[in-house]
Amino acid sequence: DTAVSQTPKYLVTQMGNDKSIKCEQNLGHDTMYWYKQDSKKFLKIMFSYNNKELIINETVPNRFSPKSPDKAHLNLHINSLELGDSAVYFCASSQDVRGYNEQFFGPGTRLTVL
Amino acid sequence: DAKTTQPTSMDCAEGRAANLPCNHSTISGNEYVYWYRQIHSQGPQYIIHGLKNNETNEMASLIITEDRKSSTLILPHATLRDTAVYYCIVRVDDYKLSFGAGTTVTVRA
Repeated sequence: DTAVSQTPKYLVTQMGNDKSIKCEQNLGHDTMYWYKQDSKKFLKIMFSYNNKELIINETVPNRFSPKSPDKAHLNLHINSLELGDSAVYFCASSQDVRGYNEQFFGPGTRLTVL
Repeated sequence: DAKTTQPTSMDCAEGRAANLPCNHSTISGNEYVYWYRQIHSQGPQYIIHGLKNNETNEMASLIITEDRKSSTLILPHATLRDTAVYYCIVRVDDYKLSFGAGTTVTVRA
């Protein structure tokens, strides 16, 4: 069973479109995260949710809107996509809110904006 | 978070121990040292973490110097599947992991 899953794995779209990436974890964790890995391979946190409540928002453009319908899901919606949004997006989860325990990462979604 | 410094890359022979250094000279007393790795085209994977004492699990050992200004991740018997980018992360009491450039480890047969 996959612990943290993301869909889709690949997403190719045109500039200006709106798209969503879905994430689900079956680990029973309380905290979920979105990370962005750019072309230079640096991995940066974007958002963190604990029990459906936003706890970290790292200076991400407001075109990015996370949504957590329940604590097992954290979706990422992106409006008006730009070329610079092309990256690999990783979802992660951890057991406790401070993240002292390990974070489990999903396989990533490679977003390409044309 | 305290900054970390790691070598850009290193090679290791299959079956031998791989020792990955990390400098974190500005670490504070309450900051943990975490190690993650990222195998090509996969999500990062937790390896180990520690505060002061040396730690060992089924994947690796973490040796932290007494002054806590540096640490070493030891993969006891490297295999080809250990080829990955290894990240040393120092964090305080918050929710974030700040990944640097990491060390690209190539295990050669």
